[in-house]
Amino acid sequence: DILLTQSPALVSVSPGEKVTLSCRASQRVSNNVAWYHQKPGQSPRLLVYGASTRASGIPRRFSGTGSGTEFTLTISSLESEDFGVYFCQQYNDWVSVTFGGGTTVDFK
Amino acid sequence: EVQLVESGGGLGKPGGSLRLSCAASGFTFSSYSLNWVRQAPGKGLEWVSSISGSGNNIYYADSVKGRFTISRDNANNSLYLQMHSLRAEDTAVYYCAKDGVVTDYFDHWGQGALVTVSS
Repeated sequence: DILLTQSPALVSVSPGEKVTLSCRASQRVSNNVAWYHQKPGQSPRLLVYGASTRASGIPRRFSGTGSGTEFTLTISSLESEDFGVYFCQQYNDWVSVTFGGGTTVDFK
Repeated sequence: EVQLVESGGGLGKPGGSLRLSCAASGFTFSSYSLNWVRQAPGKGLEWVSSISGSGNNIYYADSVKGRFTISRDNANNSLYLQMHSLRAEDTAVYYCAKDGVVTDYFDHWGQGALVTVSS
């Protein structure tokens, strides 16, 4: 299976700050990476697919970049509803998709 | 509006069986692959199984292969997960998730069904 490593595991920020989350794949996955946001007690919500395409209804402050093995999700100006856990997912190996361990974004 | 509603979770005994269902609406059901993804308490996401729109292509994670069976009923817009030989490590919230238009990422998720395996 393709291993995805997310960093940092935890980041503490204030509203209005810029946040950059990292996802590294154990082998090349082209641009077949998606990002999800999960708030406590809720199901995950798709933010980005194809490494850089925002999903329907996702604000412009979310942007994804990367290809190959290195991927980033940037939130340009954090808002209160953006706190929670962010997961990356690879679907290049579509027979066995895998998720990263997650990055928690909480209040400083 | 796409809706995915899971049901059938609850308490199961080690070695026992449970069946999850997912009722779907708001999209052309037979045109999309569907998936089960689980999340153990306080842990990350783990893909469990997927089934193509026709039902002809089915895949499982190694952790559930031979114990879980995914199926779908396109006439009734429903997805199922039959779970046998349950283990404590199967305890998790199980989400039904729909493939995106470009496939293999998940653009809509249900609210989840909690499965607890304990004696």
